[in-house]
Amino acid sequence: KNQVEQSPQSLIILEGKNCTLQCNYTVSPFSNLRWYKQDTGRGPVSLTIMTFSENTKSNGRYTATLDADTKQSSLHITASQLSDSASYICVVIPRDYKLSFGAGTTVTVRA
Amino acid sequence: KAGVTQTPRYLIKTRGQQVTLSCSPISGHRSVSWYQQTPGQGLQFLFEYFSETQRNKGNFPGRFSGRQFSNSRSEMNVSTLELGDSALYLCASSLGTVNKEQFFGPGTRLTVL
Repeated sequence: KNQVEQSPQSLIILEGKNCTLQCNYTVSPFSNLRWYKQDTGRGPVSLTIMTFSENTKSNGRYTATLDADTKQSSLHITASQLSDSASYICVVIPRDYKLSFGAGTTVTVRA
Repeated sequence: KAGVTQTPRYLIKTRGQQVTLSCSPISGHRSVSWYQQTPGQGLQFLFEYFSETQRNKGNFPGRFSGRQFSNSRSEMNVSTLELGDSALYLCASSLGTVNKEQFFGPGTRLTVL
């Protein structure tokens, strides 16, 4: 069983709307949790990096939250744009660096 | 500052052959990590090199190996290729500590026939 589960698997939203992606993990303890955006055919790009002691981190219209008690993280996209269409990957990095990746959520933004 | 570069971008090989992929990190970055990405398994960590030493390793067979040179450039080698090795191989560089941001290259798309 994967130690990082993401939901939903995919979603379609209208341009200008908000959406929230979920990441549940069992990896513990961990050093940091990251969210990446990956456009089709390209390498992932880092959106946020949070240590276990942080509970929110923003990067423009992207806001990540972390609840270490419930082992949940979310990525909120505000006022979506067509360029937000991509796969969003949650990664949990424990202190021993045995990285655990979620399968990703594919977001499609429609005009 | 130039980003992470990977060569070649596309590669087609047949079963049983071996392949070498190359990665040039961002100038000043001493850590290079390699990942395999497939539609079925998603992203999986292969190994990480720091200052020419393998610092961490994922759960891949010994057919997958790598090395890092004194200029931080890294190569990954896969021997005795199998159909299941067809994937996007991504390289990422960082300054080195586990909390530092990683910057990914565009990847090498390997197809094994």
